[in-house]
Amino acid sequence: GQNIDQPTEMTATEGAIVQINCTYQTSGFNGLFWYQQHAGEAPTFLSYNVLDGLEEKGRFSSFLSRSKGYSYLLLKELQMKDSASYLCAVTNDYKLSFGAGTTVTVRA
Amino acid sequence: NAGVTQTPKFRVLKTGQSMTLLCAQDMNHEYMYWYRQDPGMGLRLIHYSVGEGTTAKGEVPDGYNVSRLKKQNFLLGLESAAPSQTSVYFCASSYSPGRDQPQHFGDGTRLSIL
Repeated sequence: GQNIDQPTEMTATEGAIVQINCTYQTSGFNGLFWYQQHAGEAPTFLSYNVLDGLEEKGRFSSFLSRSKGYSYLLLKELQMKDSASYLCAVTNDYKLSFGAGTTVTVRA
Repeated sequence: NAGVTQTPKFRVLKTGQSMTLLCAQDMNHEYMYWYRQDPGMGLRLIHYSVGEGTTAKGEVPDGYNVSRLKKQNFLLGLESAAPSQTSVYFCASSYSPGRDQPQHFGDGTRLSIL
């Protein structure tokens, strides 16, 4: 079975840093994706981790520890437009299993 | 630069009615997927296809059927709609077996069953 957990909601101030954790217990693992989804819109790709360690992409970074079944997405220098849901997804072959998503609200 | 296009965007059905949701992609992707998204539950895979003429069941296939007669199109059918199928439906496609190729999503179909 697939069990992917992430916090439901987080709130942070503009310009701050927020870390969204994701823990997983899955029957197979090829890699882990993070997607961003604004309200009423489609999910869009943010990052992909297959090896342990940190992947940095501008203001966004994603970390993976396969032995711990753990990942986090780090959002730096928060902007109002970063208010969205962030979805953690584990890939097993060509199928994705998603967590329920974390809604991040950025306050001025 | 269309990407993944879903039609219709909104639909209201009565219980027992049937309908088909259409997904079209112009990226020549082999792999296509149908998900449903419900509050607090995340995206759940309904059916998927690994190429033209193939389909397979996902996590929540009951009450749905699919067809992939052409590589660029993936159809999701509801034969007899039920209120439990009220949801937002997303179609997605990817180039290769998902390992490092992200799925590209359409804008969704918001379906209400009364």
